[in-house]
Parts: sequence; C-alpha cells; structure tokens
Amino acid sequence: GDSVTQMEGPVTLSEEAFLTINCTYTATGYPSLFWYVQYPGEGLQLLLKATKADDKGSNKGFEATYRKETTSFHLEKGSVQVSDSAVYFCASQGGKLIFGQGTELSVKP
Amino acid sequence: NAGVTQTPKFQVLKTGQSMTLQCAQDMNHEYMSWYRQDPGMGLRLIHYSVGAGITDQGEVPNGYNVSRSTTEDFPLRLLSAAPSQTSVYFCASSRQVNTEAFFGQGTRLTVV
Repeated sequence: GDSVTQMEGPVTLSEEAFLTINCTYTATGYPSLFWYVQYPGEGLQLLLKATKADDKGSNKGFEATYRKETTSFHLEKGSVQVSDSAVYFCASQGGKLIFGQGTELSVKP
Repeated sequence: NAGVTQTPKFQVLKTGQSMTLQCAQDMNHEYMSWYRQDPGMGLRLIHYSVGAGITDQGEVPNGYNVSRSTTEDFPLRLLSAAPSQTSVYFCASSRQVNTEAFFGQGTRLTVV
C-alpha cells in the first residue's frame, strides 16, 4: 500500500541555520504531496503542496520539490527562526491522505 | 466560519465504556477522515469518507465505527474502549480527496 517515510527527529538547529527534512513516498500512480506543520497543542495546518512531478511548493521561506524519479519531497529552508519550532509532517494524497511519522524541529536562539 | 469542530477536547473513559467523538465541518467538504496521533507514530488513518453515505477503512480501523449520514458530520464511535485506544484523535476535511485538508483541534482521550 501507499506509505510515507520521513527522517527521524528530533532535529535541533541554531537560528539562521539551513534546514532539510527528508521525505520519501511509495504510491501507485501520482499522488499529490504535502507538508503540514503542527504547533504545540494545535491541529495540523498546511505548509505547502505540490500536485505533479517537478512542481515546487513554497510558503514562509520553506520549499519542497516533487521528485518523481527519486520519489521524494524533501523540505528545505535557508534560514530557520525560533518560531519555526514545531512538528513537520510529510503527506501523500492519492485515494486517501496518509502521513509520515513526523519530525520535531527545535530552533535555539 | 468555524471550519472543523471536534468535541469533546478531553475525555477520560473506563475500559469497556463506549463513546462517540463528534466532528462537524461547515465548508461543504466531501472528504472527511479520522486519525489518531501517538508518539513516534505520526498520524494513522482510522476511517475516511468520500461523501455522505460512503465510508471506508484506513490503516487502523479495529475498535472504531463511523457513519456519514450528512455532508457536515462524521462521528467516530468507540464501541468498547481499551487502554490501547488512549491517544489524540484528529478529524480532517477537504473539498476533494487531493486538496488541502483542514484539521480540528483534536480530542485527547485517555482510557483507564
């Protein structure tokens, strides 16, 4: 069946550091891909998405590119801030929406 | 616009009790789903629905029932609660199956 695998956390970075969170998927067909973010005590909210191969999703300085050849959708940000501390989930949506296990990011001043 | 509303926010049950977690959305979304979130496990899909009258099982459906009699509501029923069902439950809805999902605030359930 379809699945999503993320790099394990927690990830701890200093402010202004470069961020990469790896995500790979397995799916039949060509699903839409998403990154969601969860702040403490809250539900998930959409960060960015891509609906077809080579699409780049971007929002709030975060980017991810849909790579069909490597079945990947890695999340990147050039300079993280303390306010980016949260749990990040990669997700694949074909016939149903499924999530990776989440990666906790902690950014220190 | 309320979005996705879940009730209750917190609940403690005794083993063997039954209860219903409520989920309602006011965005006229066709697709709705229930997840449970456990430490280190991410979000796991319990049940989902692509429209009123249509439901299907996700990754972890055992011990849970759902129904979708209206577009707006998608309740999740625990028939006989077990400690293994202690978790945080999230309901989500989206306009279609491959569009942005909107999440409720979650229900923290403890089964003792």
